[in-house]
Amino acid sequence: LAKTTQPISMDSYEGQEVNITCSHNNIATNDYITWYQQFPSQGPRFIIQGYKTKVTNEVASLFIPADRKSSTLSLPRVSLSDTAVYYCLVGDMGNTGFQKLVFGTGTRLLVSP
Amino acid sequence: GAGVSQSPSNKVTEKGKDVELRCDPISGHTALYWYRQSLGQGLEFLIYFQGNSAPDKSGLPSDRFSAERTGGSVSTLTIQRTQQEDSAVYLCASSPRQGYGYTFGSGTRLTVV
Repeated sequence: LAKTTQPISMDSYEGQEVNITCSHNNIATNDYITWYQQFPSQGPRFIIQGYKTKVTNEVASLFIPADRKSSTLSLPRVSLSDTAVYYCLVGDMGNTGFQKLVFGTGTRLLVSP
Repeated sequence: GAGVSQSPSNKVTEKGKDVELRCDPISGHTALYWYRQSLGQGLEFLIYFQGNSAPDKSGLPSDRFSAERTGGSVSTLTIQRTQQEDSAVYLCASSPRQGYGYTFGSGTRLTVV
């Protein structure tokens, strides 16, 4: 299972763009990159998933360079409600058999007024 | 149902007692996962079900922990002779197929006193 490394914490202010980078040097060919968001007292919530280049949805963008050894979650114009822990995970989409998602300690994002 | 439902949401038990935690996955989701999250920590994988079978039980901390799933739906995580170190939030997730699109429940907060 590919291991991920991400900053323990980040601080930002309302209205700013936040970029959280995750390293996954041992990512395998079949692995996808997935980001989850977790608020206190709640289970993690899926944000975005990608394999290469760029993926964008209504919540965030995910940038993946050609070598796929890292990825960057970009949150545009954050608000106080974006204060949460963000987890980067890599894993097989499941076509080759059982796969469990391994959560690291995540990045604790604090957005201030 | 519309989401993953876990019960109870909170459980306080005395050391040495047995507890059962329940997870109702999203209807039709074949894969079901149990994770544990201690205060301020990341998620620790416990066990995974594909249908009613558990291909990977490697994450169960000890033989006091067991889990079952019946009818490809509801799962129960049982902790026997609870210890204080078992105190944590136990999270359940389901997905339509292994490795894809986890949806988490809100968890059961277990406190062993």
